[in-house]
Amino acid sequence: EPEVTQTPSHQVTQMGQEVILRCVPISNHLYFYWYRQILGQKVEFLVSFYNNEISEKSEIFDDQFSVERPDGSNFTLKIRSTKLEDSAMYFCASSDSGDEQFFGPGTRLTVL
Amino acid sequence: AQSVAQPEDQVNVAEGNPLTVKCTYSVSGNPYLFWYVQYPNRGLQFLLKYITGDNLVKGSYGFEAEFNKSQTSFHLKKPSALVSDSALYFCAVNIGGFKTIFGAGTRLFVKA
Repeated sequence: EPEVTQTPSHQVTQMGQEVILRCVPISNHLYFYWYRQILGQKVEFLVSFYNNEISEKSEIFDDQFSVERPDGSNFTLKIRSTKLEDSAMYFCASSDSGDEQFFGPGTRLTVL
Repeated sequence: AQSVAQPEDQVNVAEGNPLTVKCTYSVSGNPYLFWYVQYPNRGLQFLLKYITGDNLVKGSYGFEAEFNKSQTSFHLKKPSALVSDSALYFCAVNIGGFKTIFGAGTRLFVKA
């Protein structure tokens, strides 16, 4: 069964450093999403991406965040200058229809 | 503001007994409603969805949910709980096509 994959599973970085979280969505899907989940808290929407552009973003997704689909298979989330409060699980998801979403296993980002 | 509420942080049930995990929502228009389950150190797995049609929808692992428009609720149910159902359950609402908001999650404990 096709699945969404994410790398790395765990990323540790120093405050102020740039990180890139990578996702490979399911191959025939057209809608892509990033969410984050701070430990023990709710899943928060960050951004959705469709037709090679951002379709929706939350207030969390400020200028420090960017997304890219560089090669037609990968979908990346970049945080330019990480802050302590960026520590969280980051989930990528994809969808073929824009409703049911398939989630990856997540990347745990730890900012020191 | 548009929101999803899961009023119970935790639900405890004995194996073999019926379970209900509650969800209410406050959104404009006709939302798409979802339930996802999260096992420890895993991503979210889709359980079921309501788009339109029959108010009772059936999903994976024997779960079902009932959409009640007048009460703006979408409670998750299962006739007979299993210990393996113990997990974190999230209700979600798709609003405006590209944005999904999640409830805070309900932790289900099924005791043998």
